[in-house]
Amino acid sequence: GQQLNQSPQSMFIQEGEDVSMNCTSSSIFNTWLWYKQDPGEGPVLLIALYKAGELTSNGRLTAQFGITRKDSFLNISASIPSDVGIYFCAGPPGGGSQGNLIFGKGTKLSVKP
Amino acid sequence: DAGITQSPRHKVTETGTPVTLRCHQTENHRYMYWYRQDPGHGLRLIHYSYGVKDTDKGEVSDGYSVSRSKTEDFLLTLESATSSQTSVYFCAISESGSPTKNIQYFGAGTRLSVL
Repeated sequence: GQQLNQSPQSMFIQEGEDVSMNCTSSSIFNTWLWYKQDPGEGPVLLIALYKAGELTSNGRLTAQFGITRKDSFLNISASIPSDVGIYFCAGPPGGGSQGNLIFGKGTKLSVKP
Repeated sequence: DAGITQSPRHKVTETGTPVTLRCHQTENHRYMYWYRQDPGHGLRLIHYSYGVKDTDKGEVSDGYSVSRSKTEDFLLTLESATSSQTSVYFCAISESGSPTKNIQYFGAGTRLSVL
């Protein structure tokens, strides 16, 4: 079945640094979603992307829908301690009937003050 | 926050016992989902519902059943719990099933331990 591959699996950065992570697939996706999960909580939607090439920002977060439709990127600028968590990409598989999503395995972000 | 309540938040049970987890929403969304989250696997879909009494299997449905008798409630049942079902379970809701409009909102999760 379709899979989403996220990299890196984990990151350890210093507060103030910029962060880049990506999500790739061997199949085309028509929608890319980025979620963040804080420890002990459920995932929260950060950004939704619907068009190839689309670049969308949410505060210090910027996400891009790759022009090949097979990848997406998330950047965080000037990281702060509350950015700690797991970041997931998600998208509807193969036409996405009934609203199903598949999720990547996540990128775990740690920030040192 | 989306109006999603999962209960219980934590549960410890013994192998072979039945367990039911509840998801309650106040958003009147048509679609509801149950996922499990395990280290190294991310979120995997167990079952989902696209309306009252309309449900279907997801990627990892073996050993689980669901029921949806009202729009607001989606129940996940482990008929005979096994240690492999120790996990964190998340409920999600979505207003639309369209591939281009499917934004899912998640509950806070239920941590289940099967001893």
